[in-house]
Amino acid sequence: DGGITQSPKYLFRKEGQNVTLSCEQNLNHDAMYWYRQDPGQGLRLIYYSQIVNDFQKGDIAEGYSVSREKKESFPLTVTSAQKNPTAFYLCASSNTLNTEAFFGQGTRLTVV
Amino acid sequence: RKEVEQDPGPFNVPEGATVAFNCTYSNSASQSFFWYRQDCRKEPKLLMSVYSSGNEDGRFTAQLNRASQYISLLIRDSKLSDSATYLCVVNNKDSSYKLIFGSGTRLLVRP
Repeated sequence: DGGITQSPKYLFRKEGQNVTLSCEQNLNHDAMYWYRQDPGQGLRLIYYSQIVNDFQKGDIAEGYSVSREKKESFPLTVTSAQKNPTAFYLCASSNTLNTEAFFGQGTRLTVV
Repeated sequence: RKEVEQDPGPFNVPEGATVAFNCTYSNSASQSFFWYRQDCRKEPKLLMSVYSSGNEDGRFTAQLNRASQYISLLIRDSKLSDSATYLCVVNNKDSSYKLIFGSGTRLLVRP
């Protein structure tokens, strides 16, 4: 089945640690996105990528990093510089930037 | 001013009711419009795209008003399973086409 897979579903991080969230898609989509959602809030864009080896900062990129070495993969690293990383992280992909996006099931990150 | 604004609700309606949500966007260059549905603690799922001429999918009707810069979603004959948060999504060339999400409108359908 085609789709977007995020892993892990739940992740616990100690303060000061970097963690990497995985996002893989087999939809052959060019564009991929990372969003953050806090309880009761909307989605905020962290990073997005239009093509391989290219990505752009979104509205809240500080404390995060990404890579796009393969079309199907867009991992997100939450660094120790992100002061309040506890949130629901959603990865999405779309055929182009101008079309509807499809989401993975999300990763819930908690700092302990 | 937020680029995409929605009334957070909640809209509390009985089963069988008709309910409508509006969403306003600030950038007149916006080109694509969508409604997504998000259930509690789940990922957003595409409900429908919104076309200039308006479009309907079963009990759901979406409309676009470019002059007033808003889109709407009408749900007829509400079901208990329609209870969710409805997200308005816009993209435009000025923002490099990236999708911009509203904060969502919460709908509660009661028996």
